[in-house]
Amino acid sequence: DTAVSQTPKYLVTQMGNDKSIKCEQNLGHDTMYWYKQDSKKFLKIMFSYNNKELIINETVPNRFSPKSPDKAHLNLHINSLELGDSAVYFCASSQAANNEQFFGPGTRLTVL
Amino acid sequence: AQKVTQAQTEISVVEKEDVTLDCVYETRDTTYYLFWYKQPPSGELVFLIRRNSFDEQNEISGRYSWNFQKSTSSFNFTITASQVVDSAVYFCALSEALQAGTALIFGKGTTLSVSS
Repeated sequence: DTAVSQTPKYLVTQMGNDKSIKCEQNLGHDTMYWYKQDSKKFLKIMFSYNNKELIINETVPNRFSPKSPDKAHLNLHINSLELGDSAVYFCASSQAANNEQFFGPGTRLTVL
Repeated sequence: AQKVTQAQTEISVVEKEDVTLDCVYETRDTTYYLFWYKQPPSGELVFLIRRNSFDEQNEISGRYSWNFQKSTSSFNFTITASQVVDSAVYFCALSEALQAGTALIFGKGTTLSVSS
């Protein structure tokens, strides 16, 4: 059974479009995250949510908006996509008590 | 400020060699947590270990071992008798004292290539 799942796995789109990435975890965790991995493999936090409440909102353009409808889901919506948004986006989840973050398989976003 | 440095960008070894991946961290906190993750060519991130700042005991799990030394702010990872399947990017990460939603601060990763 998949612990943290993301859809889609690959996303190719044109500049200016709006797209969403979905994330679901079935681990019963109360905290979820979005990380961005750039072309040099550097991983950086974007957002974190605990019990549907936004905890971390790093310096990310307003075009990125996370939404957590419940504890098991954290979606990422991106407006007006730009070339520089091309990256791999990872969703993760953890229990607040130990912060062992388990990652989804990643979504490779390519903006043309 | 928190920072994780993995000075080795790439390492190449031949199967059965032992290899150590270095990780040096910076933090002002007295309570913190250190992690290692593996990213194989397939792209997923695999959790390997978590260590808290109060526990300096070394850990061994099969061919993997970790050496945590607060005196040198290092948390090194050794693979014994490396195998081709160990080829991956390995990330060291740091987080502050546990609070809900605390982010992991990652190093830039070390790419390990094991040839047969």
